[in-house]
Amino acid sequence: DIQMTQSPPSLSASVGDRVTITCQASQDISNHLNWYQQKPGKAPKLLIYDASSLEAGVPSRFSGGGSGTDFTFTITSLQPEDVATYFCQNYYNLPFAFGPGTKVDI
Amino acid sequence: QVQLVQSGAEVKKPGASVKVSCKASGYTFTGYFIHWVRQAPGQGLEWMGRINPSIGGTNYAPKFQGRVTMTRDTSISTAYMELSRLTSDDTAVYYCARHPLGYWGQGTLVTVSS
Repeated sequence: DIQMTQSPPSLSASVGDRVTITCQASQDISNHLNWYQQKPGKAPKLLIYDASSLEAGVPSRFSGGGSGTDFTFTITSLQPEDVATYFCQNYYNLPFAFGPGTKVDI
Repeated sequence: QVQLVQSGAEVKKPGASVKVSCKASGYTFTGYFIHWVRQAPGQGLEWMGRINPSIGGTNYAPKFQGRVTMTRDTSISTAYMELSRLTSDDTAVYYCARHPLGYWGQGTLVTVSS
């Protein structure tokens, strides 16, 4: 099974800061990676699919990159409403494992 | 608009089974896989498996193989996830989501307690 890791586990930044989260797959998953945002008590929300494609309606301050085993997720200018936990997910090989998550605070 | 509406919260005793439903609307039910994901309190997301509503074919995560059954009823556009031999470790919010996981149900809290 493909294992997904994320770093850091948590971070604290200021409004307007650039925030970057990394996700690593234990084997090549091409660009088959999703990024999700989850706020407490809510279902996850898909932000990025195919590693770098922005889901419709998602603000352009969110972006993703990478391919193969190493991926990044960036918030170019952190906003108060971005406080959440962010997860990556492989959908190249079954089982479609999620990363452990990165909690973003302000 | 696409909607996934799940059944209500459940409380079960250890050893019992639970069946959660996910009613889809706003799109062609047989056109997209339905995935099931769970989240234990304070923990991350765990992919459990998926079902192809068109043919009923399933793929389960190894951890749940033998204990989970995913089915569907195309006449009412509803997918089901049944988990058996429950333990306290199965206490979690269970979500259904439509492939490619851009649409999620509201979640169903399953509590396993004696």
